[in-house]
Amino acid sequence: KQEVTQIPAALSVPEGENLVLNCSFTDSAIYNLQWFRQDPGKGLTSLLLIQSSQREQTSGRLNASLDKSSGRSTLYIAASQPGDSATYLCAVRVSSGSARQLTFGSGTQLTVLP
Amino acid sequence: NAGVTQTPKFRVLKTGQSMTLLCAQDMNHEYMYWYRQDPGMGLRLIHYSVGEGTTAKGEVPDGYNVSRLKKQNFLLGLESAAPSQTSVYFCASSYPSETQYFGPGTRLLVL
Repeated sequence: KQEVTQIPAALSVPEGENLVLNCSFTDSAIYNLQWFRQDPGKGLTSLLLIQSSQREQTSGRLNASLDKSSGRSTLYIAASQPGDSATYLCAVRVSSGSARQLTFGSGTQLTVLP
Repeated sequence: NAGVTQTPKFRVLKTGQSMTLLCAQDMNHEYMYWYRQDPGMGLRLIHYSVGEGTTAKGEVPDGYNVSRLKKQNFLLGLESAAPSQTSVYFCASSYPSETQYFGPGTRLLVL
């Protein structure tokens, strides 16, 4: 059974710092990996999706990398801002099956201090 | 274009009561999903649907039933609520887009 782990559970950084969030998964046979953002009391918003054949994806100040062989992904946030404060979750799609089921990590709660 | 909407936003139930959570999407997505999110845990899939009239069990289906009579709607039912079903419930939809789009969630408290 695929398991997804995100460490640390919480992270606090000063504004302007570059930071890395980590995600690891136990079964390297994934189809893709997604990073989501969740604001308090809100639903999830997709940030980046990396296909299994890709090594990284970029969107603005965000860069996500994928190393399938080691079962790891990182989300790099450049020049962090207080508005980046949220919980970040990673999720893997475990197969090319028709349902596109995702397995989620428990998230990293990020606080960017002004 | 409202995306994915969920009704109600918050509900308090007594043990043994029943209720239905409604999810609606206006993106013409084929796939819809129901998740629950508990403190310190990621989202866990309850049930999902790959098209109108179809449903299937996810990781934690016990105590829940679902129906997808219309493509745009996905209903989650609790026949006899238990305190262990206190959670935040999220609906999502996808396909043909690979990305799953989430609703704002329903907070359920079972006393």
